Amino acid sequence: DAKTTQPPSMDCAEGRAANLPCNHSTISGNEYVYWYRQIHSQGPQYIIHGLKNNETNEMASLIITEDRKSSTLILPHATLRDTAVYYCIVRVHSSNTGKLIFGQGTTLQVKP
Amino acid sequence: DGGITQSPKYLFRKEGQNVTLSCEQNLNHDAMYWYRQDPGQGLRLIYYSQIVNDFQKGDIAEGYSVSREKKESFPLTVTSAQKNPTAFYLCASSISRATEAFFGQGTRLTVV
Repeated sequence: DAKTTQPPSMDCAEGRAANLPCNHSTISGNEYVYWYRQIHSQGPQYIIHGLKNNETNEMASLIITEDRKSSTLILPHATLRDTAVYYCIVRVHSSNTGKLIFGQGTTLQVKP
Repeated sequence: DGGITQSPKYLFRKEGQNVTLSCEQNLNHDAMYWYRQDPGQGLRLIYYSQIVNDFQKGDIAEGYSVSREKKESFPLTVTSAQKNPTAFYLCASSISRATEAFFGQGTRLTVV
């Protein structure tokens, strides 16, 4: 599975959009981009995933560049409850294990 | 409500004792996983099961054992052979290895 690079931390004002970047320059054509978040002392929460098209759900939007070497997770109106560690993961759907490889992630601090 | 239930949330054991962590899901998912998380670290895969009565070792299976006798249940036993058992243990499930995984709230095991 391809390696991802994320900034270690980011701040965002409450009510503003939070844009979390992720670089995955070695991504393969059959690897999907997944985003999870983990609030302190809780299990990771699935947010969204995509292959090459932009995706949107009730939680967030995922923007993947045309060359697929980077992506951005957008939380349109961040709240204090969005403070968490956000993980960007790339994974092959045909993986033998279904394993998710979590890196260090980005700690997002939403401030009042 | 459908979901993944891990119990207990906190567990204390004396060194040298085996301990079993419970994981139950009512999502009708075929695949289930156990991960371990240490402070400031990403998740590491211990065991996974793609279907009932079958399971495979993950990256750090030594000192752990599992069973998958029922689709809904995937208990993890931490044996006395595990050198550093104190950690945050996370159970996850997915429809298949090719789909997004959903996590329980975790069990924090402390061995004294």
